[in-house]
Amino acid sequence: GAVVSQHPSWVICKSGTSVKIECRSLDFQATTMFWYRQFPKQSLMLMATSNEGSKATYEQGVEKDKFLINHASLTLSTLTVTSAHPEDSSFYICSAPRSGTDTQYFGPGTRLTVL
Amino acid sequence: AQSVTQLDSHVSVSEGTPVLLRCNYSSSYSPSLFWYVQHPNKGLQLLLKYTSAATLVKGINGFEAEFKKSETSFHLTKPSAHMSDAAEYFCVVSETDNYGQNFVFGPGTRLSVLP
Repeated sequence: GAVVSQHPSWVICKSGTSVKIECRSLDFQATTMFWYRQFPKQSLMLMATSNEGSKATYEQGVEKDKFLINHASLTLSTLTVTSAHPEDSSFYICSAPRSGTDTQYFGPGTRLTVL
Repeated sequence: AQSVTQLDSHVSVSEGTPVLLRCNYSSSYSPSLFWYVQHPNKGLQLLLKYTSAATLVKGINGFEAEFKKSETSFHLTKPSAHMSDAAEYFCVVSETDNYGQNFVFGPGTRLSVLP
C-alpha cells in the first residue's frame, strides 16, 4: 500500500523558535497533501491543504503566517510552525491521497512539545 | 455539507466478545465512507472503506462495516475483540463536489478491551 512518512516523529523546542515538519509520500506522487492537528483525546482538525506548486489553502481560524506550508515537489510538503508557543504543542499529522483514488494515506504523526 | 456522528465516545468490551462502533453520517452527494484506527501515540491506519460497491465491506484485522443508506449509517463490527484492538476509531466521510474533495472526521470512539 501507499506509504507516507513524517519527520521528525517528535520534537521539543523552546518558546519562540520555529520548527519544520516534513511529510513525504514514499511510493507515489501527491499533488495535494493535507495537514491536520490533533489535541489530546480529540479528533483531527484539518489545518490546511497543501498544493504542489501553488499556495496552500488554510481552514478558517488557522493563521497562515504562523503555520507556513511549502509543497516544493510531488513527494514533499513541509509545515513550519513559526515562533512556537506552548499552545502550539500538539500532534500534527499529514495525509496524501493516491492519485486516482479518494483514499487518504496518513503519516505517522509528529508530536510537538513547546516549552 | 457532510457531517459524521459517532454516538459513543467510549466503548468497553471483554476480550472475545463482539465489537460494535456506531457511525452515522449526512452527505449531500454520494459519499465514500472510511474507518480509520489510531493506536496510542501512533498515526492513523485505514481499516476499510466503502465506495459505492458492495454495501458490506471487509477490512483488516477481522473488522467489517455495513453501509445502510436508509439509515445513513456505517457501523463497524468485529465478531470477537482482541486486546490489540484497543485504540481510537474514527469514522470518516468523503465527498467530491465542484470545489474538490472534502474529508470530514467523526469525533472518534475509544475502544477498551478488558481481559
